[in-house]
Amino acid sequence: NAGVTQTPKFRVLKTGQSMTLLCAQDMNHEYMYWYRQDPGMGLRLIHYSVGEGTTAKGEVPDGYNVSRLKKQNFLLGLESAAPSQTSVYFCASSQMGLAGSDTQYFGPGTRLTVL
Amino acid sequence: AQSVTQLGSHVSVSEGALVLLRCNYSSSVPPYLFWYVQYPNQGLQLLLKYTTGATLVKGINGFEAEFKKSETSFHLTKPSAHMSDAAEYFCAAKILTGGGNKLTFGTGTQLKVEL
Repeated sequence: NAGVTQTPKFRVLKTGQSMTLLCAQDMNHEYMYWYRQDPGMGLRLIHYSVGEGTTAKGEVPDGYNVSRLKKQNFLLGLESAAPSQTSVYFCASSQMGLAGSDTQYFGPGTRLTVL
Repeated sequence: AQSVTQLGSHVSVSEGALVLLRCNYSSSVPPYLFWYVQYPNQGLQLLLKYTTGATLVKGINGFEAEFKKSETSFHLTKPSAHMSDAAEYFCAAKILTGGGNKLTFGTGTQLKVEL
């Protein structure tokens, strides 16, 4: 049981390049989330998904796209990377989104630098 | 809109001393509350959570937190700090909305434990 895994762990991009971050969970969770973590700002929600085939915008969605084609995977895409997207990206998943008391489980993060 | 405030971005304690990390939330409805810990270069790990019932919540590694509705607070404590407690701690709040199961994070408190 690996929990939540993220690929890759590190990436350096040039401005304007594109990339996809992959998140996978093996806990059969319905809800999945993408956050970015920046110094002094905590974690901010980018996009989330309430189930296979669904996605929704979070707090800071601009410049990102997501897809949830399979229940266990949640992809985060950057079509044209900008230096402002330099950050650490965390994926999380949870079982019952509307229950309130469920816990979000986090992956180890992807450190992205955009030059 | 709900928000979470963590007082003190950096806290330093001596080994064996009391650890107190402060968290206040703003919400018209009592939220579900969480404390997460992040060790260097790792993802977030749940320490404890408050949903309903007993207001004093015990978590892993000897940490506990008390929900005080009148003070809108959820401070994290540990009677005796250990070197291994050095990490960043995040308080988070969740209010059930029609839009899903979203956490609002505080900006984090870096705990340093000194000999």
